[in-house]
Amino acid sequence: EVQLVQSGAEVKKPGESLKISCKGSGYSFTSYWIGWVRQMPGKGLDWMGIIYPGDSDTRYSPSFQGQVTISADKSISTAYLQWSSLKASDTAMYYCARFDSWGQGTLVTVSS
Amino acid sequence: QPVLTQSSSASASLGSSVKLTCTLSSGHSSYIIAWHQQQPGKAPRYLMKLEASGSYNRGSGVPDRFSGSSSGADRFLTISNLQSEDEADYYCETWDSNTRVFGGGTKLTVL
Repeated sequence: EVQLVQSGAEVKKPGESLKISCKGSGYSFTSYWIGWVRQMPGKGLDWMGIIYPGDSDTRYSPSFQGQVTISADKSISTAYLQWSSLKASDTAMYYCARFDSWGQGTLVTVSS
Repeated sequence: QPVLTQSSSASASLGSSVKLTCTLSSGHSSYIIAWHQQQPGKAPRYLMKLEASGSYNRGSGVPDRFSGSSSGADRFLTISNLQSEDEADYYCETWDSNTRVFGGGTKLTVL
């Protein structure tokens, strides 16, 4: 069974850095694109970017290029989403997703 | 880059059927899409992949009450014998070599 298990909820202050994770299991992690999706409170789904763990080829949505960094460690079947300086507007639920499977979500709250 | 357009809301009665529409932007009518369901307070769930031909493949565990069809740039999700748990937001998604994109979602109310 394909599973994507994400790290737990985070509460951060503006300007702080953050890295959240998504561990894949039940399939060949290096053979499938995996991506990150933002959902702001009460809003729809926004694709942020995707990575191919096999060779770390990464594509970003224009809206998120330069705002976040997506990476993967294939040795531990884990993808990451990181921010160097959080803003209050980054408050949202973040999901990792393969084309046919979703993680459970990580709630990120940024507040002073 | 493709754009997907969905109606913001739909409603239908318990036990009836409903057909949701996702429309691809001009020049992208051949694209494959996926349908996802998001029940209140839950993570999205993959429902199916749907091709321009109308051929579709449901995800693991998705009931056969969910079916797909296509006409030109339109992709449809039909839910038969509506259940209360079908009340949810439904998103279509598509992709090309450099990006992926979601439609704005349709909020389905089961009356």
